[in-house]
Amino acid sequence: EAGVAQSPRYKIIEKRQSVAFWCNPISGHATLYWYQQILGQGPKLLIQFQNNGVVDDSQLPKDRFSAERLKGVDSTLKIQPAKLEDSAVYLCASRVRNQPYNEQFFGPGTRLTVL
Amino acid sequence: DQQVKQNSPSLSVQEGRISILNCDYTNSMFDYFLWYKKYPAEGPTFLISISSIKDKNEDGRFTVFLNKSAKHLSLHIVPSQPGDSAVYFCAASPQTGANNLFFGTGTRLTVIP
Repeated sequence: EAGVAQSPRYKIIEKRQSVAFWCNPISGHATLYWYQQILGQGPKLLIQFQNNGVVDDSQLPKDRFSAERLKGVDSTLKIQPAKLEDSAVYLCASRVRNQPYNEQFFGPGTRLTVL
Repeated sequence: DQQVKQNSPSLSVQEGRISILNCDYTNSMFDYFLWYKKYPAEGPTFLISISSIKDKNEDGRFTVFLNKSAKHLSLHIVPSQPGDSAVYFCAASPQTGANNLFFGTGTRLTVIP
């Protein structure tokens, strides 16, 4: 079974530029998450999708971050404009909707450096 | 506000000995707990979990203990192997609402051959 795919793996941009990350979850997984992991910290949830609908985006900085999952499969996370403090690893995770316990499967992440 | 805490940033253990990683939480609504393992340049990988109706769950060399009254859980690895060297994250979830995971800051385990 293929895992969660993410691209790019690394991205370096200057502050005020825009950047987008892509995620392809495990086939059949209805729930998709985006996390931000700052160096030395644990992953922090940004947004959760159930199919193509948003379940929770309370931690998403909506003035600069946006995410979509138009067809209920792939998802993109965008930052516009980027700030220095956005430097982090962005992790995508997915899980089977009806799984009784909340085991999430993570992709390898995209490491973003904002200069 | 850090609702899940791992107070030891690092731990070194000799190969063959026991590794004990600790985690504390503050939110009494958490009722499901997980441990994830992370190697460099990879995403976290699920290791073991425990529901709040249990106080112990065992899977091979890995055992998780939960003390609800103390809001504390621990992961025991016996015997420790060099391949266990990684960062271990504790995570907790309330079984209500969006069932999101709240992660600790991680403990870097080094198993010395």
